[in-house]
Amino acid sequence: GAVVSQHPSRVICKSGTSVKIECRSLDFQATTMFWYRQFPKQSLMLMATSNEGSKATYEQGVEKDKFLINHASLTLSTLTVTSAHPEDSSFYICSAQNTILSGANVLTFGAGSRLTVL
Amino acid sequence: DQQVKQNSPSLSVQEGRISILNCDYTNSMFDYFLWYKKYPAEGPTFLISISSIKDKNEDGRFTVFLNKSAKHLSLHIVPSQPGDSAVYFCAASAQNTGNQFYFGTGTSLTVIP
Repeated sequence: GAVVSQHPSRVICKSGTSVKIECRSLDFQATTMFWYRQFPKQSLMLMATSNEGSKATYEQGVEKDKFLINHASLTLSTLTVTSAHPEDSSFYICSAQNTILSGANVLTFGAGSRLTVL
Repeated sequence: DQQVKQNSPSLSVQEGRISILNCDYTNSMFDYFLWYKKYPAEGPTFLISISSIKDKNEDGRFTVFLNKSAKHLSLHIVPSQPGDSAVYFCAASAQNTGNQFYFGTGTSLTVIP
C-alpha cells in the first residue's frame, strides 16, 4: 500500500536554529502534500498545502517566512522551521495524496516529527 | 475557529460491545468526511469515509453515519476489540478546497478486555 516516510521522527534543537523535516512518498507520486501541526490534546491543524513545482499555499495565521515549504519533486516535500523558538515545539505531520489513484480522496500520513526547541 | 468538533475526548467500552464515536461540524460546505485512527508515535491511518450523497457507509466492523441536517457524523465499531484502542479523528473537506482536510480534536477509545 501507499507509504509516506517522514524524517526525522524526533529532533531537538537550540533556539534560533533552523530545522528541516522531510516527507517522502515511497511508492507513489504525489503532486500535493499537506503539512499539519498538532499541539498536545488538540487536533491536527492544517498549516499549508505543498504543490510540486509551485509555491505552497499557507493557511491563515501561518507565517510563510517561518515555515518554509519546498516540494521539488513528486515524491518529496520539505518543511523548514526557521529560527526556531520554544513555542514552535510541536508534532508536525505530513500527508500525501496518490496522484494516480483517481477518485480516492484519501490521504496517506507520515508518522510525524516531534520537534523540541530548547 | 474549530470547524470540526469531537466533544468526547475519551471513551471506554467493554470488548464485544459497540463503540460510538461522534463528530460535529459547522461548515455546511463540507461534503466529504473521513475517520482516521492513530496509535501513539504513529501517523493517522485511514479507516473509513463517506460522501455527502450518502448517509451510511459500512466496512466490516466499522460503519459511519452522516446526518447532514444536524451536521453530525458518527463512527460505530461493533464488536469492539482491544486492538481498536487508539485515538480516532474525524476529518472533513469541501470539494472546492481540494484535499484540504480539517480535523477534530480526537477521541481516545479504550476497549477493555
